[in-house]
Amino acid sequence: DSGVTQTPKHLITATGQRVTLRCSPRSGDLSVYWYQQSLDQGLQFLIQYYNGEERAKGNILERFSAQQFPDLHSELNLSSLELGDSALYFCASSVGTSGKNEQFFGPGTRLTVL
Amino acid sequence: AQSVTQLDSQVPVFEEAPVELRCNYSSSVSVYLFWYVQYPNQGLQLLLKYLSGSTLVKGINGFEAEFNKSQTSFHLRKPSVHISDTAEYFCAVRIIKAAGNKLTFGGGTRVLVKP
Repeated sequence: DSGVTQTPKHLITATGQRVTLRCSPRSGDLSVYWYQQSLDQGLQFLIQYYNGEERAKGNILERFSAQQFPDLHSELNLSSLELGDSALYFCASSVGTSGKNEQFFGPGTRLTVL
Repeated sequence: AQSVTQLDSQVPVFEEAPVELRCNYSSSVSVYLFWYVQYPNQGLQLLLKYLSGSTLVKGINGFEAEFNKSQTSFHLRKPSVHISDTAEYFCAVRIIKAAGNKLTFGGGTRVLVKP
C-alpha cells in the first residue's frame, strides 16, 4: 500500500459525459501527479500540482482539467468523453518537486467509455 | 524532448533463471533514471533509481540496474527470478533541470515467469 488513495476504482460511462476522478496523496506529500495508461499511448504524464498550484503540464487534452485543493487532495475532470479516453488513470504523490523525490503511485481508476 | 525505449515488449523466463530487461533513452540533457514494477491490477512501485554516483544500482527484491552513459542505457537485471516476479516493468527518465517532476516512461516489458 503506497498510501495514495484513488476513487472510484472503476468507472463506466457513456460518450459525451463528464466524470471526476479523485486522489488523496500520502500524508505530508505536497506534489500530486496524474498519469494516463492506455494500450495505444502507454503511460503518459498529464499534469502536476504542487501545494495547490500547477507545476508542469504534459499531454493533457483541453477537455481534461485538474486542480489541487487546500487539503492537498486532487481531482481530475474529464469532459465530453470519447471512446479513446478509456484508460487507467493513476495519481502519484511526492514530498516536493525535486526529481530525486520518489513518486508513490495509487492503485488507479479504470475508466471505460461506452 | 526525451524518449525511452524498452526493446522487449514481452520476456518469458523460467523460474530461477536470470533475466535482463533492456532500456535505452534519448535525451540531450542529463536525466535521472528509474525502474518501476506494476503487478496485475496494482499501481506502480519503484524498484530502483539512478541519481548519481556508482553506475550499478541495487534495488528491492534482488533487482539491480547499470547506468551506461555512453550507450544511454539503463538495463535491469535479476540473477534468479521467482514466480512472484511476473509483472510489467517500466523504465522511466526525468530531466534533471526541468520545471516540475514529470516522468517519461517506456512502453513496458511484460515478464512471465514459468515454473
